[in-house]
Amino acid sequence: GQQLNQSPQSMFIQEGEDVSMNCTSSSIFNTWLWYKQDPGEGPVLLIALYKAGELTSNGRLTAQFGITRKDSFLNISASIPSDVGIYFCAGRNAGNNRKLIWGLGTSLAVNP
Amino acid sequence: NAGVTQTPKFQVLKTGQSMTLQCAQDMNHNSMYWYRQDPGMGLRLIYYSASEGTTDKGEVPNGYNVSRLNKREFSLRLESAAPSQTSVYFCASVGGGSRYNEQFFGPGTRLTVL
Repeated sequence: GQQLNQSPQSMFIQEGEDVSMNCTSSSIFNTWLWYKQDPGEGPVLLIALYKAGELTSNGRLTAQFGITRKDSFLNISASIPSDVGIYFCAGRNAGNNRKLIWGLGTSLAVNP
Repeated sequence: NAGVTQTPKFQVLKTGQSMTLQCAQDMNHNSMYWYRQDPGMGLRLIYYSASEGTTDKGEVPNGYNVSRLNKREFSLRLESAAPSQTSVYFCASVGGGSRYNEQFFGPGTRLTVL
């Protein structure tokens, strides 16, 4: 099935650095979601975006719904050790009424 | 409010054995989903239930069956387990209204088939 192109695949950064990751799609989406998964746990929703151009923050996290409606970005400012985990993007296009399309994840490691 | 719960947390089966993974949500959500997660493959949809009484196949339904027992519960059954079904299984549910795409996940069931 269709998957999103999520990059980078992995990141290793120093504590305090900012982080950027993104997802792109070949089709237009009307919803973008960003999740974080800690080891041994289920994914937890961080930010939901429903409108092209929308910029939404959740603490140190900021996500944007790209104006082309084919991409989305997640930024983490001033990273801390508990930011470690896998970040997934997911989206819905007009043809999938109930189903989300998922990226393969960005694995983030933070060096204290 | 427990959210989405899954049982068991861990399970080891032998090839050919059967088992049912249980999922329940207490958020009064209409839609529920079963995913499997394998290294490097992300989350793949097995089956989903848009509402009580309905179920539909996802991306990888072969070897699985589901039952939407009531609005709260959605179970996943492996009739004859195979090593290729070794995976982590997640259940999720979705509410309605303005948050109609936001899926909430359970903690997962880690299944090993020998």
